[in-house]
Amino acid sequence: TQLLEQSPQFLSIQEGENLTVYCNSSSVFSSLQWYRQEPGEGPVLLVTVVTGGEVKKLKRLTFQFGDARKDSSLHITAAQPGDTGLYLCAGAPNFGNEKLTFGTGTRLTIIP
Amino acid sequence: NAGVTQTPKFRVLKTGQSMTLLCAQDMNHEYMYWYRQDPGMGLRLIHYSVGEGTTAKGEVPDGYNVSRLKKQNFLLGLESAAPSQTSVYFCASSDGFQPQHFGDGTRLSIL
Repeated sequence: TQLLEQSPQFLSIQEGENLTVYCNSSSVFSSLQWYRQEPGEGPVLLVTVVTGGEVKKLKRLTFQFGDARKDSSLHITAAQPGDTGLYLCAGAPNFGNEKLTFGTGTRLTIIP
Repeated sequence: NAGVTQTPKFRVLKTGQSMTLLCAQDMNHEYMYWYRQDPGMGLRLIHYSVGEGTTAKGEVPDGYNVSRLKKQNFLLGLESAAPSQTSVYFCASSDGFQPQHFGDGTRLSIL
């Protein structure tokens, strides 16, 4: 089983600050996804990265896939209360997205 | 367009009871999945299906059974519920080459 470790597990910061969340594995993934989950709801896809070294931006969120495709990071600039939620990374071992391996999650709280 | 719908949303069972969780998707997806989510452990795959009439075991299949008699429905069964099966259960679907779409979950407590 391929494992994905996320850090930190919990993060609480003030509105306007910057933060980075990490997703690490000893295994190689063909692609990696980031999800955000709010209480009482299912995960919602934010982005998919497929190429080693790839950087994708989604407004104030910047996602990076490691050169070796074993790790990824999510950087949020000027965090807003609406960014609060559980962030999950998920890796696909083969082409396509079936049988994703999910990370342990980072619970982010943005304090107004 | 409802996407992925799970029923029920909440359920409390006594140890040893049985129940079935229903997942329905209206996106004509071939692939469907059942996950459980526990604190500090992310989502773990229980069973999945790559098409109507097919099922396969995931990471944590023990104590669960599934059926995919119709393409749009994926059922998860607990034959004899145990307290260790207390969790939040999520169903997801995909066409295999697109990101997975999740339902809003079923919160299940086993007393």
